Amino acid sequence: EADIYQTPRYLVIGTGKKITLECSQTMGHDKMYWYQQDPGMELHLIHYSYGVNSTEKGDLSSESTVSRIRTEHFPLTLESARPSHTSQYLCASSELGTGGETQYFGPGTRLLVL
Amino acid sequence: AQSVTQLGSHVSVSEGALVLLRCNYSSSVPPYLFWYVQYPNQGLQLLLKYTSAATLVKGINGFEAEFKKSETSFHLTKPSAHMSDAAEYFCAVSVQGAQKLVFGQGTRLTINP
Repeated sequence: EADIYQTPRYLVIGTGKKITLECSQTMGHDKMYWYQQDPGMELHLIHYSYGVNSTEKGDLSSESTVSRIRTEHFPLTLESARPSHTSQYLCASSELGTGGETQYFGPGTRLLVL
Repeated sequence: AQSVTQLGSHVSVSEGALVLLRCNYSSSVPPYLFWYVQYPNQGLQLLLKYTSAATLVKGINGFEAEFKKSETSFHLTKPSAHMSDAAEYFCAVSVQGAQKLVFGQGTRLTINP
């Protein structure tokens, strides 16, 4: 069983609020990822990281930002939440390799912005 | 660039029947292929993956998939469906040197009693 955690699991918040979604893993993985998933839809990569102090934007443009100060921690921040940010956010991690590595997923955070 | 197409956004089978979920990929170089399962209100869990070893890959929960290069396919099967198999299934592709997975649109599997 993968040891990757996300908090909160559910968040309802008003427009304009700043939010941070937490993700942590205890597997010592170098690579971490954030995906956005709308109900019944595919996953879209919004951010990833190769390791400490490394962050990259994914395929889907996002107003969120991420940081990687510690190997185990990869938080995602929205400075000013809007209803268009309503979605599920999934965090994942993997070993650093050549492309065939398994990504391990957290349980997700369901965000509803009113 | 790589891509994945899952044929059928929704598949419904009877309990005990064969499960077949279709996945076709596009890649100009040898791919790595994955099947993940997502239960309601949970993250994704790896079912199985192909990394250029045996073309028939066995996974967890009785699932298996066969890599067919000539058909660019990686279909997921299970001989006998169980009620607990009801979930969303995602096929994904990566290649050597790539830094990310590309996911298909997902197939929702429903099991009828």
